[in-house]
Amino acid sequence: DAGITQSPRYKITETGRQVTLMCHQTWSHSYMFWYRQDLGHGLRLIYYSAAADITDKGEVPDGYVVSRSKTENFPLTLESATRSQTSVYFCASSVNRNTEAFFGQGTRLTVV
Amino acid sequence: GENVEQHPSTLSVQEGDSAVIKCTYSDSASNYFPWYKQELGKGPQLIIDIRSNVGEKKDQRIAVTLNKTAKHFSLHITETQPEDSAVYFCAASKDNQGGKLIFGQGTELSVKP
Repeated sequence: DAGITQSPRYKITETGRQVTLMCHQTWSHSYMFWYRQDLGHGLRLIYYSAAADITDKGEVPDGYVVSRSKTENFPLTLESATRSQTSVYFCASSVNRNTEAFFGQGTRLTVV
Repeated sequence: GENVEQHPSTLSVQEGDSAVIKCTYSDSASNYFPWYKQELGKGPQLIIDIRSNVGEKKDQRIAVTLNKTAKHFSLHITETQPEDSAVYFCAASKDNQGGKLIFGQGTELSVKP
């Protein structure tokens, strides 16, 4: 049971480049989420998705784009990376709107 | 919008002692309060949660209490063990949403053997 997996685990990119972080879950959960974790801020919600083709903004969506063409995948794209987007990114999923969220292992992104 | 404050930011206890972490929230409409444990290099893992129709919930050595009037909730860990060492996050959400969460800043708990 793979659960929820993120790739890559580590990524270094240059300012201005486009980068995509992948998230894949094997549970057929309806809801998926992207969070970023920064020291002193805990985790902050970037985007979430209630189902395939349904996405919505979270707390800090600026500079990010998401898509969800298949239930199991929820990629996060930084169209033009900035140093302020250096962070650890976590993907999560939940069965439905009211059940607990399960988190992936995270992707550490460094923008130089 | 909702704001969740968590204290303390670091906590060091001796093995066998109790540990208490406190959170306050600002939005009285919040009604779901989970606690996550994050070990080094891993993603957060839910350890216990409470909904606003309950004042206290216990699971072995872990308990959570909720005071809706004061808008605060706390995590209590009894008989701490070295493997309890981790970063703990509280969170809050409205409409009983499990994943659309506002997190506290985290507490780094160190249990010394």
